[in-house]
Amino acid sequence: KAGVTQTPRYLIKTRGQQVTLSCSPISGHRSVSWYQQTPGQGLQFLFEYFSETQRNKGNFPGRFSGRQFSNSRSEMNVSTLELGDSALYLCASSTGHPYDEQFFGPGTRLTVL
Amino acid sequence: DAKTTQPNSMESNEEEPVHLPCNHSTISGTDYIHWYRQLPSQGPEYVIHGLTSNVNNRMASLAIAEDRKSSTLILHRATLRDAAVYYCILRDVGRTSYDKVIFGPGTSLSVIP
Repeated sequence: KAGVTQTPRYLIKTRGQQVTLSCSPISGHRSVSWYQQTPGQGLQFLFEYFSETQRNKGNFPGRFSGRQFSNSRSEMNVSTLELGDSALYLCASSTGHPYDEQFFGPGTRLTVL
Repeated sequence: DAKTTQPNSMESNEEEPVHLPCNHSTISGTDYIHWYRQLPSQGPEYVIHGLTSNVNNRMASLAIAEDRKSSTLILHRATLRDAAVYYCILRDVGRTSYDKVIFGPGTSLSVIP
C-alpha cells in the first residue's frame, strides 16, 4: 500500500509569512503526528491528531497549529515565521495504538529567510 | 515521560554483530520499548518493539533486561546500509495521552567496510 506522503517537499519562505504543510497518511490509519527536526534540537514532537481531534501537543508556541480532516489527511500551519523555524517537518501515521509502529513520511524541508 | 539514555555514537565493522544499548531506569510497567532508525536524508523507520520478552524480526533482535531498566538492539550482521541514527523510545500504553512520542538524541552508528 502507498506510504505516507508529504507536500510540498521543499519550501522557502521569508520571516513573517505563514506556511501550510500537508500530510496524507497510510490508508486506514487514523492517527497523524507531526515532528520538527533541526540539527540542534533533534526530533521534537509537535502534536498528534486522531479522528480529527488533537490528542497530544508538544511544547511549541501557538504559532504552530494543525488540523485533521475526516479522511485523516492532516495539515500543519506555522504563522509569523521566524528564522528558527527552518527545519525538516516530518509527519507520521499509525493506527493510533501506542504499541503500533509509526510510519514516517519523507518530510518537508522548510527554509525561512 | 520516562526518559532513555543512549551512547552518542558507535562504530562497527561490516558483517559483524552490533549491540546498541539503551538505559531506561524510570520505565513504568505499561511502557513499551520501541526502536526506530533514521537513515541519512530519510524519515525515521520502525525497527522493533517489545514489552518484557526478547523479540526478533527480520531486521533485528531486541533483548530486554529482566528488570526492564535497560535493553539492547542487536543487528546480527551489520551492513553499510545499517549506518543510521538509532532511537530508543518508550511509549506508554497505560495513559490516555497516546502517541506522544519523545525522541532522544539517539546513537549514530557508523559501519566500517
